[in-house]
Amino acid sequence: AQKVTQAQTEISVVEKEDVTLDCVYETRDTTYYLFWYKQPPSGELVFLIRRNSFDEQNEISGRYSWNFQKSTSSFNFTITASQVVDSAVYFCALSAPRDARQLTFGSGTQLTVLP
Amino acid sequence: DSGVTQTPKHLITATGQRVTLRCSPRSGDLSVYWYQQSLDQGLQFLIQYYNGEERAKGNILERFSAQQFPDLHSELNLSSLELGDSALYFCASSVGKSGNSGNTIYFGEGSWLTVV
Repeated sequence: AQKVTQAQTEISVVEKEDVTLDCVYETRDTTYYLFWYKQPPSGELVFLIRRNSFDEQNEISGRYSWNFQKSTSSFNFTITASQVVDSAVYFCALSAPRDARQLTFGSGTQLTVLP
Repeated sequence: DSGVTQTPKHLITATGQRVTLRCSPRSGDLSVYWYQQSLDQGLQFLIQYYNGEERAKGNILERFSAQQFPDLHSELNLSSLELGDSALYFCASSVGKSGNSGNTIYFGEGSWLTVV
């Protein structure tokens, strides 16, 4: 079965600090996709990134970067120079052919950025 | 703005009642997904429709049903509501049949359902 683990339930940082959100996944499929979504206090789920299992290149988008390591089944998300507006719950998700649920979500990490 | 539209945004209803949640997918998207987010269960996949036909079923209760219409909008019907059905219900859409073929799944803002 597919599984996504976000071991960090809550993280609190002070503005301008860097923070890394961990995501570990399990799947028997060789082709799969990983996603990160952000859920701000207003509730909507905002898509951040999609990565396929064959592309292990790290990706950077502004203050956001993602480190995909197949060897450790991890897809970690780093926010550089965090801002108060980054405060949200962040979800890592997995989509794989065996999984009819389409997206298997982790339990989320609540990030609080303090001014 | 993801382009996925959900109505209503908030709904309060009594136990035993029936409600309908509505979703309009992004323009061009053929797949519609429904997810439930509750404090104890997290984000759970309920059901998916692709171009009008049911494609995948998750943890959807028998009291719940959904359909996708020819114009591709979808409705989720929740009946005989219980207190435990209180949750945030998300609709999502994608171009293709699933997220595991490389399609990004975009979510709407959700419908907050409170059962009292």
